[in-house]
Amino acid sequence: EVQLLESGGGLVQPGGSLRLSCAASGFTFSNYAMSWVRQAPGKGLEWVSGISGSGYTTYYADSVKGRFTISRDNSKNTLHLQMSSLRADDTAVYYCAKDIRNLDTFDIWGQGTLVTVSS
Amino acid sequence: QSALTQPASVSGSPGQSITISCTGTSNDVGDYNYVSWYQQHPGKAPKLMIYDVSDRPSGVSNRFSGSKSGNTASLTISGLQSEDEADYYCSSYTSSDTLVFGGGTKLTVL
Repeated sequence: EVQLLESGGGLVQPGGSLRLSCAASGFTFSNYAMSWVRQAPGKGLEWVSGISGSGYTTYYADSVKGRFTISRDNSKNTLHLQMSSLRADDTAVYYCAKDIRNLDTFDIWGQGTLVTVSS
Repeated sequence: QSALTQPASVSGSPGQSITISCTGTSNDVGDYNYVSWYQQHPGKAPKLMIYDVSDRPSGVSNRFSGSKSGNTASLTISGLQSEDEADYYCSSYTSSDTLVFGGGTKLTVL
């Protein structure tokens, strides 16, 4: 069964850092680009960052560029999102998502992990 | 990158058809056929319903269809059923090598 399982969410103070992880199973992880998508409470979906299957190419939304870093470990079938200089408006459920190609269509989503930025 | 424009809400009775629009620009919807639609029930992860403007993933009902004209994409749901009540989001690849979502549309089945 194809599955994505996020972890690492929690409560963090403004200006703090947090690292999210996404464990993938049931497919050849290195063959697919992956992305992080977030959803603030009661709000819509926002694409955050994407990474190619090899990990060599990364993409970021303007809202997180310079603060977030996406990476992957293909030997461990794991996707990461390192978040720093966190702000209140980064509060959201963060989903990892598997792309069918490269940064355009997500066919598999995790259950999400909640990040709350508050003092 | 501004969000794609969707109506905040649409409604329809069981058995009817509804259409949700998704308006972008020539830098996203208008220039690429990488438009997708996602269904999201409360408290659940999004589910892919349509990709590449009009293709359906395996297992998605043929009551769901997609189309595009110029800078506007559309999702049509025919034979509306109670389980179709959910939030729907469009997305598009952009010329900036990013992806943009629409603001979301709440579908109410009356």
